[in-house]
This record gives sequence, structure tokens and C-alpha cells, in this order.
Amino acid sequence: DGGITQSPKYLFRKEGQNVTLSCEQNLNHDAMYWYRQDPGQGLRLIYYSQIVNDFQKGDIAEGYSVSREKKESFPLTVTSAQKNPTAFYLCASSIGSNTGELFFGEGSRLTVL
Amino acid sequence: GEDVEQSLFLSVREGDSSVINCTYTDSSSTYLYWYKQEPGAGLQLLTYIFSNMDMKQDQRLTVLLNKKDKHLSLRIADTQTGDSAIYFCAESMMTGFQKLVFGTGTRLLVSP
Repeated sequence: DGGITQSPKYLFRKEGQNVTLSCEQNLNHDAMYWYRQDPGQGLRLIYYSQIVNDFQKGDIAEGYSVSREKKESFPLTVTSAQKNPTAFYLCASSIGSNTGELFFGEGSRLTVL
Repeated sequence: GEDVEQSLFLSVREGDSSVINCTYTDSSSTYLYWYKQEPGAGLQLLTYIFSNMDMKQDQRLTVLLNKKDKHLSLRIADTQTGDSAIYFCAESMMTGFQKLVFGTGTRLLVSP
């Protein structure tokens, strides 16, 4: 079955550590996105990528980094520079970057201890 | 500016209709979406409406769009306990790519 797989589902991190969240899709979608969800707030865009080897900052990119070396994969690194990293992170993809619905993964919950 | 607003919570009884409201700011939005998020999961697209439409019906779902007031609503007929979830509206903004701006989400609780 086609879809988006995020891992791990739950992750705990000590302050000062970098962590990387995985996002893999087998939908052959060109565009991929990372969103952050906090309680009582809408989803906020961290980074997006329209094609392989290209990505742009979203609204809240500070403290995060991404790469897009393969079409299928768009990992997100939460660095120690991110002041408030505890959140639910959602990866999504779409066929193109200017049309159509977003397909979401199941999310990764990061907790900083 | 970009701001999509929703009420945070709605409680209904099973069998009743639910109406979830949303206001958005960008009059140039081409599509408006409703997504559903079940506990601990990602979002799934429920339905969408093109900005030149006033209404769209899809089985138990009815979407109404009032462009003048920038108001979007989602009506769920015969609400079931399985409809309990968070519902997000989103507007699309063409900024060189399709940027979706999401509302805060409305948590719908359906009681038996």
C-alpha cells in the first residue's frame, strides 16, 4: 500500500541533543512538507521541498534542518538550537507543489526531558 | 495576513447534526479544505471546495462557503461516535507553491 511512514512514533531527547525524524513516502510525490503541531494551535510549516535536492524554509524553520537527497525521503533534524522542541511533528507529501491534497504520515511525538 | 480561526471545541449527541465553523483571511484563496485528525494520528482530507462554489455535498458532509464574509462551515449529518476527532479547516495560498494555512482545529466530541 502506498503511503507516508514516519519514525519513530515517540522520541525522547535530552536538552542539547540533536534528533532526526524520518519521513519516507512511496507515493511518487514530488513535494514534501514538515509541520509542527502544538496543543490548541494549527499546524505550522517548518520546511518544504518541491523537488529533490531543493528545499525552502517555512514559517518556523529556526532550529530545524532538512535534506532531500532522494525523492522518497525528507528527514527533519531538530537541533539543540530549537528552544521549545517538544511537539507533534507531521510529515506530508503532495503530487505537485501547487495542486492537490496533502497526504500525511502518522506523526512523531518528540519530548524533551 | 494569514489567520484561520475556529472554535476549539464542539460537543453533540449521536444522531444530531454537527456544524463546525471557520473564518479565513485571504480572499484570493483558491481552495478551502477540511481535514480530520483522529487521536495520535496524521490528518486525512475529508473534503474541499473551490472558491467559486457556494456549497458542496458529499454523503453526510455539507460544506458551505460565504466568500463575502470569508466564512466556511462543515456540517456533518447524523453524527456518529466515530466522527469524534479534531477537524481542521485550511486555506490554500498560491505563493509559488501551494501553502496551506491551517486553523487551530475544532475538537468534536460525540456522546452516545
